[in-house]
This record gives sequence, C-alpha cells and structure tokens, in this order.
Amino acid sequence: DTGVSQDPRHKITKRGQNVTFRCDPISEHNRLYWYRQTLGQGPEFLTYFQNEAQLEKSRLLSDRFSAERPKGSFSTLEIQRTEQGDSAMYLCASSRSGGQGFQETQYFGPGTRLLVL
Amino acid sequence: LAKTTQPISMDSYEGQEVNITCSHNNIATNDYITWYQQFPSQGPRFIIQGYKTKVTNEVASLFIPADRKSSTLSLPRVSLSDTAVYYCLVGVSGAGSYQLTFGKGTKLSVIP
Repeated sequence: DTGVSQDPRHKITKRGQNVTFRCDPISEHNRLYWYRQTLGQGPEFLTYFQNEAQLEKSRLLSDRFSAERPKGSFSTLEIQRTEQGDSAMYLCASSRSGGQGFQETQYFGPGTRLLVL
Repeated sequence: LAKTTQPISMDSYEGQEVNITCSHNNIATNDYITWYQQFPSQGPRFIIQGYKTKVTNEVASLFIPADRKSSTLSLPRVSLSDTAVYYCLVGVSGAGSYQLTFGKGTKLSVIP
C-alpha cells in the first residue's frame, strides 16, 4: 500500500491553456473522488467514480472540467480554457466500497496545486 | 448530508490534552463520524472514525454520546507537530456515493 499519488504536485499555467492532472489510487480501491480546495476553505466535492464509471458530478464541475478513469485504476482530471478562478488545490481520494453498514474511509493524495496566471 | 459545527480555532500548550467538539444535530441513523487532519499544502489525513460510544487508536480517541448529536476528538499530549486544521464529517456509507462535505474545520495551534 503506497497510498494515493497525484501528479504533478504543482502546475502554473496561463489563462486559456488546458491542464491535466493524474491520480493513482490505492491499488485495491474501487472508488475514486476528486475534490477542489481553495485557500481557507475545506475541500469541495467535484466528482466520483466507481471502477470506470463516473457516477456523480457536482454542479461545481463546469463544462470545462472533464474526468476519466478508463480502466478503473488511475484517473485524470482535465480543465480546458483555464480561468484565474480555477486556481486551487485539486485533491484526489480513494476508498473501497462495501455493503450497507460498511465503514467507507477515503484516503487522500497530496494534491495538485494549480495557479492560473 | 448532515451539517457539522465546530470551533474555528483553538490554542493549546504542548503536552496538554486537546478536545475538539463537533455538533451534528441532524445526523442520520446510518451516518458515521470521521475526523481528518490537514497540514498546509497537503491532502487531508484520516485520523479516526466511529459510529457510537468510544473509539481509540494510536493517535486519538473519539467520544460519541448516546444521542450521537455531537462528537469529541481527543488528542492526548499534543506536540507542535499537531498544529493543523481538523475536520469533522458525517456521511452515509453503503451502496451509494460517499462524498464528503467539509466545513472550514478547526485550526489548532500548539504553543511551545
């Protein structure tokens, strides 16, 4: 168990450019979540995958955001035509689902800090 | 998902026990209570999770009264390295998604 990893850890881009972030979950975890965190706030949910299926998306996730998890393992989050308001920490978390009553625990990666100039 | 209320900040001296209480009046029957710790520029780190009564692990204890409308995270003998933001969350586990709804957390400052 090597934990959740994210790449890159930092990204600086110019407004209007596209960026892509990668998340590698804990190997046996079938659920993967993306969150966004701005300074002084707690993380906000963006989207969630169970295996390769994207099952839920937040209204925060505009059309410029897209996420994939093609083989049910790693996931990518792409932001097209970045805006300064996209500057934030993007966090990935993974968990293992169980049945009713199972205590699901999400484990977070270190995050990718994005700065849009 | 149930909303939580916790103090915005707390100060403590090194070596003291710190108790952070969280209110979650509308917790549902299936909700678990989970606490995370977050250092600047890092992802949240899982500390402890419980459903009722008391849970203890190597870093903390979680006390949950019978009505489950509040919970208290107890950190024994804090050190400077415990300075962080602590989040209390409640959420439903099971077949559906388990998106976590974070508040602003409690910023704990440990003073030498």
